[in-house]
Amino acid sequence: EIVLTQSPATVSVSPGERVTLSCRASQSFRSDLAWYQQKPGQPPRLLIYGASTRATGVPARFSGSGSGTEFTLTISSLQPEDFAVYYCHQYDNRPPGTFGQGTKLEIK
Amino acid sequence: EVQLVQSGPEVKKPGEALKISCQASGDTLTNYWIAWVRQMPGKGLEWVGLIYPGESDTRYSPSFQGQVFISADTSINTAFLQWRSLKASDTAMYYCAGRNFGESHGAFDIWGQGTMVTVSS
Repeated sequence: EIVLTQSPATVSVSPGERVTLSCRASQSFRSDLAWYQQKPGQPPRLLIYGASTRATGVPARFSGSGSGTEFTLTISSLQPEDFAVYYCHQYDNRPPGTFGQGTKLEIK
Repeated sequence: EVQLVQSGPEVKKPGEALKISCQASGDTLTNYWIAWVRQMPGKGLEWVGLIYPGESDTRYSPSFQGQVFISADTSINTAFLQWRSLKASDTAMYYCAGRNFGESHGAFDIWGQGTMVTVSS
């Protein structure tokens, strides 16, 4: 089973700043990685699939990159509504795959 | 586009059985892979398993194999997650999630609102 490790566990950032979240895999795979955003009391929302393709309706300030064992999600200019928990998800191995443990993005 | 509507919150005692549901509206369930996700209180997301109702192709994450059963009834456009004997550690929010069968990727872009399951004596 592929294990995903996200870092940092929590990050505090000011609105308007740029932030990069990391997701490291225990085994290499091409680009079968997604990112989800979850706000309190809500289900997750798909942001990115295929490591770098934005889902329908996702603002351009969200971008994903990476392959192999290192993947990142970057939010270029944080908006108040972006403060949430972010999860990566690999679907390369043993459907439905595995989640990372999440990164909480807090307002500084 | 399809919407997934889940059944309401449940409060059960240890050892009781339970079946929760996820009904698709706006499209046919057989056009989608449907997955179940567990989120224990204050914790992260875990995949339970998934089903392709069109062929009853069902797969489970290793941690959940033998602990739960995933099924679907295409006549009522509904997928199910069930337990034969609940434990207190099954207390969690359970989400269903959908992905169109024709998608080239394995991410899930349609989510139900969640069903809270509380198991307590």
